[in-house]
Amino acid sequence: SQELEQSPQSLIVQEGKNLTINCTSSKTLYGLYWYKQKYGEGLIFLMMLQKGGEEKSHEKITAKLDEKKQQSSLHITASQPSHAGIYLCGAVSLRGATNKLIFGTGTLLAVQP
Amino acid sequence: DGGITQSPKYLFRKEGQNVTLSCEQNLNHDAMYWYRQDPGQGLRLIYYSQIVNDFQKGDIAEGYSVSREKKESFPLTVTSAQKNPTAFYLCASSLGRGHREKLFFGSGTQLSVL
Repeated sequence: SQELEQSPQSLIVQEGKNLTINCTSSKTLYGLYWYKQKYGEGLIFLMMLQKGGEEKSHEKITAKLDEKKQQSSLHITASQPSHAGIYLCGAVSLRGATNKLIFGTGTLLAVQP
Repeated sequence: DGGITQSPKYLFRKEGQNVTLSCEQNLNHDAMYWYRQDPGQGLRLIYYSQIVNDFQKGDIAEGYSVSREKKESFPLTVTSAQKNPTAFYLCASSLGRGHREKLFFGSGTQLSVL
């Protein structure tokens, strides 16, 4: 079965600093999602990457998909306290003709003012 | 506003008791999902449904049951057979028309054992 590993597991940065979160798959990636979660709340969709080399940006968050490395990275520029939360990557499971997602274990981000 | 509503926000279960978590969506989505979230383990799929009156087991279905009698509703019952039910439960939905769809999530239910 496919597994997603995220690194680092947790991260504390000073406000204004840049940071990168990685998501590595044990199998080929055919689609990769990034979600953000506030503690005790639901997941908020950030972006979806479908093709190798694809890069998307939303405000100060940029995500890239490297199919060869079976990896995606999420980069936050000039971090703010509002960026704090848990970031989860999800990948399409190819088992059967379904669109189930499997998720990584998450990266907890804290931003110090 | 369209979205997914989960209730209750907090739920407590006594030993030997079955409890039901509610999930309602007004997005006209065909597919619905239940995930369980434990600290350090990410989200794990319990059950999913691609269409009304049909559902399939996910990775950790033992001790859980679901029904899909209406398109808008996908309730999850945590039975007494689930020996470690304490977790955060998330319901999600998607259009259900193929791969690579965006999942929309509810705000979750925290279940604890008394």
